[in-house]
Amino acid sequence: GENVEQHPSTLSVQEGDSAVIKCTYSDSASNYFPWYKQELGKGPQLIIDIRSNVGEKKDQRIAVTLNKTAKHFSLHITETQPEDSAVYFCAASKGSNYQLIWGAGTKLIIKP
Amino acid sequence: KAGVTQTPRYLIKTRGQQVTLSCSPISGHRSVSWYQQTPGQGLQFLFEYFSETQRNKGNFPGRFSGRQFSNSRSEMNVSTLELGDSALYLCASSGKDRDRETYGYTFGSGTRLTVV
Repeated sequence: GENVEQHPSTLSVQEGDSAVIKCTYSDSASNYFPWYKQELGKGPQLIIDIRSNVGEKKDQRIAVTLNKTAKHFSLHITETQPEDSAVYFCAASKGSNYQLIWGAGTKLIIKP
Repeated sequence: KAGVTQTPRYLIKTRGQQVTLSCSPISGHRSVSWYQQTPGQGLQFLFEYFSETQRNKGNFPGRFSGRQFSNSRSEMNVSTLELGDSALYLCASSGKDRDRETYGYTFGSGTRLTVV
């Protein structure tokens, strides 16, 4: 079955620097790749997503890139701020009738 | 618009008891998924309901069950509680959103279950 690997498990960056989290998926039929942010005491929140017909998508300081050949996708956060500190999860899916397959999560720490 | 509502937020139960958690999805969403989250274990998929039918199921024992009503509200039940069932239980609804082309989930804030 589908498997999603996420790295690193913990990432510590200086405020203002960029952060990159990478995920690799195994099922080439996957076509939807969302990223979620989970703050302490809250449920995960969708922050950006990308479909397989697009190579890159940006939303202000956040961007996601997808390499279908290599079967990996990455979350890029630029100009990190203290409020970016959270756990980030990637996921992959073959479509709306299929469940999301989740990465194990990355704890992002922004150092002041 | 209203988000996903989970009740109760916190719950303390004794080993051997059973518990029922409730989830009200976003209006118009017909899919409800349940997850168990424990420290260091990420998001473990329990099951998904779509139009009152279980569509997908994760690898959890039969003590974990769920159902969905005609208004898309969902409940999950855990019988014969064990200490290891202590976790945050998250519900997520999904459906095609008119405002954006996405099938992404919207999560509730979860129910924190403690088994003592």
